[in-house]
Amino acid sequence: SQQGEEDPQALSIQEGENATMNCSYKTSINNLQWYRQNSGRGLVHLILIRSNEREKHSGRLRVTLDTSKKSSSLLITASRAADTASYFCATASGGSNYKLTFGKGTLLTVNP
Amino acid sequence: NAGVTQTPKFQVLKTGQSMTLQCAQDMNHEYMSWYRQDPGMGLRLIHYSVGAGITDQGEVPNGYNVSRSTTEDFPLRLLSAAPSQTSVYFCASSYSPGGQETQYFGPGTRLLVL
Repeated sequence: SQQGEEDPQALSIQEGENATMNCSYKTSINNLQWYRQNSGRGLVHLILIRSNEREKHSGRLRVTLDTSKKSSSLLITASRAADTASYFCATASGGSNYKLTFGKGTLLTVNP
Repeated sequence: NAGVTQTPKFQVLKTGQSMTLQCAQDMNHEYMSWYRQDPGMGLRLIHYSVGAGITDQGEVPNGYNVSRSTTEDFPLRLLSAAPSQTSVYFCASSYSPGGQETQYFGPGTRLLVL
């Protein structure tokens, strides 16, 4: 069963604009991770945010976590064509760190 | 370091055939896992291992076997391939269990079962 669900399913923006993707989940989590997947490639880890953290930054990426709403957002600022990819959130929950559950992803297209 | 490697990159099977998807990592990671990715479904965990000799089932284990005889290798076996197993398969590894930290993914194996 899907734990995390990304929204929107697809997002198309112009280069230089900001992109925001959201992830909602159902049960309590230990942490939440965001991954990027370029077409036809493996996943690349972006950020891990723990359940006791509210915000985290990495370069042009900003991730927030609201455990009361069971949601997270990924903000990419000043987007580039190279940011075109699918973005997935993943959660480990229920006291088990062994099983990471992925959402269905948001397909981001950045037009030059 | 090569990271996580997977072979083959692409495979076509006939229904009922068996095959092994290979996964190897050179980072001395204890935790390894297999996922399948289907259109519109995201990634689903098939099997995982927390160390040599220890494996466990994920979300969709039926039709797949795994073993972990060394830290480096974690092969995935399809005993009798079915069209429903047509998918892209990813292997991943990390120092700690999957939910605790960064997972390093291989490039994937595309499998087509006719």
